[in-house]
Amino acid sequence: DGGITQSPKYLFRKEGQNVTLSCEQNLNHDAMYWYRQDPGQGLRLIYYSQIVNDFQKGDIAEGYSVSREKKESFPLTVTSAQKNPTAFYLCASSIKFLGELFFGEGSRLTVL
Amino acid sequence: GENVEQHPSTLSVQEGDSAVIKCTYSDSASNYFPWYKQELGKRPQLIIDIRSNVGEKKDQRIAVTLNKTAKHFSLHITETQPEDSAVYFCAAVTTEGFMRFGAGTRLTVKP
Repeated sequence: DGGITQSPKYLFRKEGQNVTLSCEQNLNHDAMYWYRQDPGQGLRLIYYSQIVNDFQKGDIAEGYSVSREKKESFPLTVTSAQKNPTAFYLCASSIKFLGELFFGEGSRLTVL
Repeated sequence: GENVEQHPSTLSVQEGDSAVIKCTYSDSASNYFPWYKQELGKRPQLIIDIRSNVGEKKDQRIAVTLNKTAKHFSLHITETQPEDSAVYFCAAVTTEGFMRFGAGTRLTVKP
């Protein structure tokens, strides 16, 4: 069953801790993306990757880091430098860059 | 960079009525404009898109129109049904080379 899988679905973290959100796709898509969704602000792009071993900053990359060592995987690390990390995070992929986005089910991070 | 403004933020219609959501963009070079629908608790999904060489595109009850001169595009839903209730996002491709989304419109269709 092809798709894009995010884990964990819910995550709680104490201030000052780094946390990594997983995103895996078996759609053989070249491009992958991380978006942050906050109420009333739509979807804001954190990082994107057009191809393996390459990634670029989006609109709100500060306090986040990513890697793209494998085509299937694009993990997002929320570092302690992110001032307001509590949010809903969506991972997406597309066959080619700027093609139709296929989203995962999201990960909700709460910083206590 | 590209700014995508979406209006209204909330929209309530009676079942069977039409709904229109409008977006404006700032970058005249933008050439791809998708619309995504996010039902409550679910992931966003593409419902329709339009490219700058087309002025209108229709898919059953959904249509999108594009005015490149005025730099705005709209989503039209006719004969609305309760299952159309969702948050709708427009998007446009930026000069930086990625898609930027509008803030979303929460559509409620009352039976």
